[in-house]
Amino acid sequence: QSALTQPASVSGSPGQSITISCTGTSSDVGGYNYVSWYQQHPGKAPKLVIYDISNRPSGVSDRFSGSKSGNTASLTISGLQAEDEADYYCGSYTSSTTLEVFGTGTKVTVL
Amino acid sequence: EVQLVQSGAEVKKPGESLKISCKVSGYSFTSYWIGWVRQMPGKGLEWMGIIYPSDSNIKYSPSFQGQVTISADKSINTAYLQWGSLEASDTAIYYCARLRYTYSADYWGQGTPVTVSS
Repeated sequence: QSALTQPASVSGSPGQSITISCTGTSSDVGGYNYVSWYQQHPGKAPKLVIYDISNRPSGVSDRFSGSKSGNTASLTISGLQAEDEADYYCGSYTSSTTLEVFGTGTKVTVL
Repeated sequence: EVQLVQSGAEVKKPGESLKISCKVSGYSFTSYWIGWVRQMPGKGLEWMGIIYPSDSNIKYSPSFQGQVTISADKSINTAYLQWGSLEASDTAIYYCARLRYTYSADYWGQGTPVTVSS
């Protein structure tokens, strides 16, 4: 099972919005509504910020939003803040392993 | 409060065995799948496998099948990841995580760094 495809890096200025894409296949992203997004700061454990395409866990800022179209899912961070600088990974259930598969990861830089 | 507390950092030699642990609290251990994720130095996240502690049903990622063993002891709310013979390429941080019913990991342990070097 190959990793889902994400851009290596995305950057934006404080206050701007950025979008990270996550491309898979009909066996994972396109076939199920089980897409999640994780934020990982350096030296820290990942943190779930979006689950089931567009739902936010309790305590996660509403500046984070998710969507999906076909085989591509997206995470949008609006009102970018310095604390959003981190690595972001998408994840999706895949029928090939009946587990979640992660994306390649995207480094978000706040300029 | 849900907590997953992992065992401490390990330094091992190639060929040695190792078992690391993940003790959970704050929820019913037998009601959720729990899994292990590898993160090699400077690299991304990889699911290794998951276990349902209630019946010890296990699913391994194909890349890790036969390379590691996942287990759980529901009497002490603890999940385990073990190796029979470590290799230098096993050097990584290993995270345990609780899975929601739709497979996303909503709570994570703090990570266990494992270094394998001669």
